[in-house]
Amino acid sequence: QKEVEQNSGPLSVPEGAIASLNCTYSDRGSQSFFWYRQYSGKSPELIMFIYSNGDKEDGRFTAQLNKASQYVSLLIRDSQPSDSATYLCAVMPWTQGGSEKLVFGKGTKLTVNP
Amino acid sequence: DGGITQSPKYLFRKEGQNVTLSCEQNLNHDAMYWYRQDPGQGLRLIYYSQIVNDFQKGDIAEGYSVSREKKESFPLTVTSAQKNPTAFYLCASSPGVGYGYTFGSGTRLTVV
Repeated sequence: QKEVEQNSGPLSVPEGAIASLNCTYSDRGSQSFFWYRQYSGKSPELIMFIYSNGDKEDGRFTAQLNKASQYVSLLIRDSQPSDSATYLCAVMPWTQGGSEKLVFGKGTKLTVNP
Repeated sequence: DGGITQSPKYLFRKEGQNVTLSCEQNLNHDAMYWYRQDPGQGLRLIYYSQIVNDFQKGDIAEGYSVSREKKESFPLTVTSAQKNPTAFYLCASSPGVGYGYTFGSGTRLTVV
């Protein structure tokens, strides 16, 4: 069973701080990694994706991938109250035939306090 | 604008009733998915389809059925065999391997 684990939180940070969200995955052959943001009562929206080891930056968001440790993280700099949401980590495991089914973690709830 | 449309937004089902949730996309994506989300459970895959006229069971397919007669459409039927259907249902699509999903806005189903 391919699994994706996230700390459910809640994670609480003050406005302006760096929020660090972590995710581990069980399938060593996983190829693609995604972070989704889900506001309460809404559907998930894709905010970052990363395929290679290292860091990828997009505005205030940085995704970090370490395939050797099977670890992916999301950093949110200068956190804002509008960043308060549940963040879902999703991983695409390697499968024969190239199925693109993602495996989702249960999400980490982030609260940014003004 | 391209996107995925789910309808209705809210749906109420009586005991023993079948209901159908609609999912339409105009993104020209080949793959489409249905997920169920319960509090504290994360997203669980019900069915997926990688091409027209073909679909596969996901992790929790019992009590559900789907069809994929057109590339744009992937409706989900919640049958009376699904004993605990109250949940938030999400439809998603993807252009192919290695790409993330685009989600619809969801349908919240409640049994009354």
